[in-house]
Amino acid sequence: GESVGLHLPTLSVQEGDNSIINCAYSNSASDYFIWYKQESGKGPQFIIDIRSNMDKRQGQRVTVLLNKTVKHLSLQIAATQPGDSAVYFCAENAGSARQLTFGSGTQLTVLP
Amino acid sequence: EPEVTQTPSHQVTQMGQEVILRCVPISNHLYFYWYRQILGQKVEFLVSFYNNEISEKSEIFDDQFSVERPDGSNFTLKIRSTKLEDSAMYFCASREETGSNQPQHFGDGTRLSIL
Repeated sequence: GESVGLHLPTLSVQEGDNSIINCAYSNSASDYFIWYKQESGKGPQFIIDIRSNMDKRQGQRVTVLLNKTVKHLSLQIAATQPGDSAVYFCAENAGSARQLTFGSGTQLTVLP
Repeated sequence: EPEVTQTPSHQVTQMGQEVILRCVPISNHLYFYWYRQILGQKVEFLVSFYNNEISEKSEIFDDQFSVERPDGSNFTLKIRSTKLEDSAMYFCASREETGSNQPQHFGDGTRLSIL
């Protein structure tokens, strides 16, 4: 079946460095993607989204890139801070009710 | 900033008992969702609710599950006869109706432990 998945289960970066978290999706009909951050004991927190008619979108310290040719999504975090340590999920909007299909998640650890 | 709230934060129940998980979605949102996350696994869709009826449900959402919007603010998930494998985090989410490409906003979940 089609699914959304992440390339790496864990990522460690030095504080102040940039982070890149990757995601592969397989449903070519997907037209909307969202990145969520999940801290321990909390629910998924919306970070940034992108529609399929775009290839890049920027927020505050975060950038999402979409490559529809290879069905790849990435989240870039600039100047990573200790508060960025969390699990990051990409999610694909699918279905008639726009329910989300989540990837497996990447644990980002920011080292001092 | 408005947020989705869920109660209780932790529910411990004997196998075979009924549980009701409660959610208060963001007030101007019209689409409501339940998801679950088994420990260490990805978040999985259970059911979506719009205009006072289920709009989509997954294979997980079998006859033991039901949802209800009993009043203008609450959205509940009921599990009629709990099983050990129902132990998980259950997340409620909501989104605005305006446009199909709007992010869903999640509550902090209810941890359901079945003994």
